Order: sequence, then C-alpha cells, then structure tokens
Amino acid sequence: EPEVTQTPSHQVTQMGQEVILRCVPISNHLYFYWYRQILGQKVEFLVSFYNNEISEKSEIFDDQFSVERPDGSNFTLKIRSTKLEDSAMYFCASSGASPPERNEQFFGPGTRLTVL
Amino acid sequence: LAKTTQPISMDSYEGQEVNITCSHNNIATNDYITWYQQFPSQGPRFIIQGYKTKVTNEVASLFIPADRKSSTLSLPRVSLSDTAVYYCLVGGNTGGFKTIFGAGTRLFVKA
Repeated sequence: EPEVTQTPSHQVTQMGQEVILRCVPISNHLYFYWYRQILGQKVEFLVSFYNNEISEKSEIFDDQFSVERPDGSNFTLKIRSTKLEDSAMYFCASSGASPPERNEQFFGPGTRLTVL
Repeated sequence: LAKTTQPISMDSYEGQEVNITCSHNNIATNDYITWYQQFPSQGPRFIIQGYKTKVTNEVASLFIPADRKSSTLSLPRVSLSDTAVYYCLVGGNTGGFKTIFGAGTRLFVKA
C-alpha cells in the first residue's frame, strides 16, 4: 500500500538555526499539506500546496516558514530561524486529485522537531 | 469553515459498540464530513467520509441525519487497539481545503 514518508524521524536543533523537514507524498497525489502537533495538543494546519503554489496557510505559517516541491517527488518544509516554541511533531500529508477524495488525506509518520 | 463539537473523552469495554457524535450546526451545502483516528506519536489516519445518510466501510459506519447538523461515528465491537483520539472534520472541496482539526474525542477501551 502506498504511503507518505518523512525524514528525519527526529531532528534536534539549536534555537536560531534553519531546519528542513522532508516528505515524499504518495506518487499520484496532487495536494500536499503540512501540520504540526505540539505535545499533548491538537493537530494544527500549517499550509496546503497545489500546482506548485501555496493554496492556503494558517496564521502560524509566517515568514519564517516556507514550502517547496523541488523535484516532483519531495515536499519540504523549511523553518528559517527556529524558536523554542517550534518544538513539535510535524506531519506531512497528501491527497488525491478529485473531490471528495481530496478530503481523504494520507499522513506520514511525522518528524519530531526539538529546538534547544 | 464549520465548527465541530465532540465529547472530550469516552470510555468503553472491549466488544462493545461505540458511538461518537459530532455537532456541526453551521455545515455548508458542499461540506463533507470526515473522521480521522490518531494513535499516540502517529499521524492521523482517515477512517470514513460521508455527505448524507449512512456510509459503511470495513472499519466503521457514519450516520448523518437529514439536516446534516450532526454526525455519528459508530465503531462496532471495539478492541483495546481502538484506544485513540477520533476527530470529526467538516469541510468543502473549494480550492486549497484548509483542514481544521478540533480537540477530538479520546476513546479509552478497557478490557
């Protein structure tokens, strides 16, 4: 069964450093998402991406965040200058081409980001 | 986006049927209702989706009344491994689809 993969599984970084979280969505999917989940809290939407551009973003997704699909298979989330409060589990998700299938999102296993 | 309200937590015993109800009074005409399951330290997993009436798959059933202002996820004969957080989401298929997860319902299944 196809699945979304994410690397690394755990990233530890110093405050102020840049991090890039990587995702490989399911190959024939066209919609891509990033979410974060702070320990013990709910899943929070960050951004959705379609046709090589951001479709929607939340208020969390400020200028410190960017997304990219550099090569047609990877989907990356970059945090330019990490803060302590960026420590969270980051999930990538993808979904298929046609509504309502777009609502069925397939999530990756997550990257746990720890900012020291 | 329609706001959803679910119970914060529920307890059940193995072998019982569990029904989790979600209220979404402001659901729009083109909104679908989607349920996800999340285990600790894992990403959410799609369970079921519906628009109206009843939908059933190998995992669960989804009951949606005619006014669509609520929906009920039904899990038949739960086991310990069904202990998880269950999220009800309501959203349409307009461009972008901003997905909003609520707090979800924590289901504890006891032996």
